[in-house]
Amino acid sequence: DGGITQSPKYLFRKEGQNVTLSCEQNLNHDAMYWYRQDPGQGLRLIYYSQIVNDFQKGDIAEGYSVSREKKESFPLTVTSAQKNPTAFYLCASSPARASSYNEQFFGPGTRLTVL
Amino acid sequence: AQTVTQSQPEMSVQEAETVTLSCTYDTSESDYYLFWYKQPPSRQMILVIRQEAYKQQNATENRFSVNFQKAAKSFSLKISDSQLGDAAMYFCAYRRLRGGSQGNLIFGKGTKLSVKP
Repeated sequence: DGGITQSPKYLFRKEGQNVTLSCEQNLNHDAMYWYRQDPGQGLRLIYYSQIVNDFQKGDIAEGYSVSREKKESFPLTVTSAQKNPTAFYLCASSPARASSYNEQFFGPGTRLTVL
Repeated sequence: AQTVTQSQPEMSVQEAETVTLSCTYDTSESDYYLFWYKQPPSRQMILVIRQEAYKQQNATENRFSVNFQKAAKSFSLKISDSQLGDAAMYFCAYRRLRGGSQGNLIFGKGTKLSVKP
């Protein structure tokens, strides 16, 4: 089955530690995205990548880093510089620009809690 | 910059009744896409319906339909014959058609819909 997987589902981190969230897709999509979701805030874009080996900052990139070495993978690292990392993180992907809708398909999410 | 506003943080509907969720957006562009996503308690985001700005005809998907008013920059979602499984957070989203960030979605803050049996 084609889709997007995120792991782990729940993640606990001590203050001062970096942690990496995994996102993998087998939909052959060019573009991938990371969102953060807080209660009452909707989804906010952290980083996005429209092609392998290239990525851009979104609206709230501070304290986060990403890589895009393979088309199917877009891991997100939450660094110790992120002041309030406890949140729900969603990964998404979409087809190439030439597609008519470029609708985004979402993974199941990772809940990160800082202890 | 584009913004999306959902003015109803919470809504409630009786099972089998109809409910309308509001969404307004601000943009200076003429071509764009609009989406409604559903997020049930599982937190999996699911696309409900989409609308191209250049199409005057309102999109419909089974019990879900939109009222797209381009001049008013309004994009409301109507759910007919509401079912218990419709209970979820609903997010309105805007996507640019052109430009460097054309694939990116801009989301509203969501409306939590409850369905009463």
